Amino acid sequence: KNEVEQSPQNLTAQEGEFITINCSYSVGISALHWLQQHPGGGIVSLFMLSSGKKKHGRLIATINIQEKHSSLHITASHPRDSAVYICAVLTQGGSEKLVFGKGTKLTVNP
Amino acid sequence: NAGVTQTPKFRILKIGQSMTLQCTQDMNHNYMYWYRQDPGMGLKLIYYSVGAGITDKGEVPNGYNVSRSTTEDFPLRLELAAPSQTSVYFCASSYQAGELFFGEGSRLTVL
Repeated sequence: KNEVEQSPQNLTAQEGEFITINCSYSVGISALHWLQQHPGGGIVSLFMLSSGKKKHGRLIATINIQEKHSSLHITASHPRDSAVYICAVLTQGGSEKLVFGKGTKLTVNP
Repeated sequence: NAGVTQTPKFRILKIGQSMTLQCTQDMNHNYMYWYRQDPGMGLKLIYYSVGAGITDKGEVPNGYNVSRSTTEDFPLRLELAAPSQTSVYFCASSYQAGELFFGEGSRLTVL
């Protein structure tokens, strides 16, 4: 079983819909990252969370440390939001390392 | 702002050849990482470094070597390239374990 599981793997939405992508993990973590990978391949950081909730524009990320679960929400989705969204956790312990989920491919149709 | 710079962007190698992927960051980040991304798969950690002179193996280190002689540079060396090393390689950096900054990726094909 992967240490980081994302769902769904693929998601198709109509413009304007509210989107939720989920991330569950099975290890102790120091922090959780949400990343966006554009169709051209570039990867950008969206959020880094260790507790609670963060908001940036139409994007909201939440984390529940006790339940080992995080969600990424996109409000009023737009075709330019089409991308792969990746969850990554920074593991606790002597040697911190990042473990990635496989990503969720989001397609937003006009 | 340069950020994280990877070179080359594309490379074709023959089986058994060697090469070095270069990664440089100008943000004075102490943490640097090398990942590979295979089609339909998540990013897998090859090697990482928490500071100059310190490197550690990730999930998939076999067939690769790294060095970190300066804060800025973290080259990834492929010795005796194999078809299984065909992938897209990403270098990333962060200050401590903070926000990640990625290079644009290097697409390597081994024939």
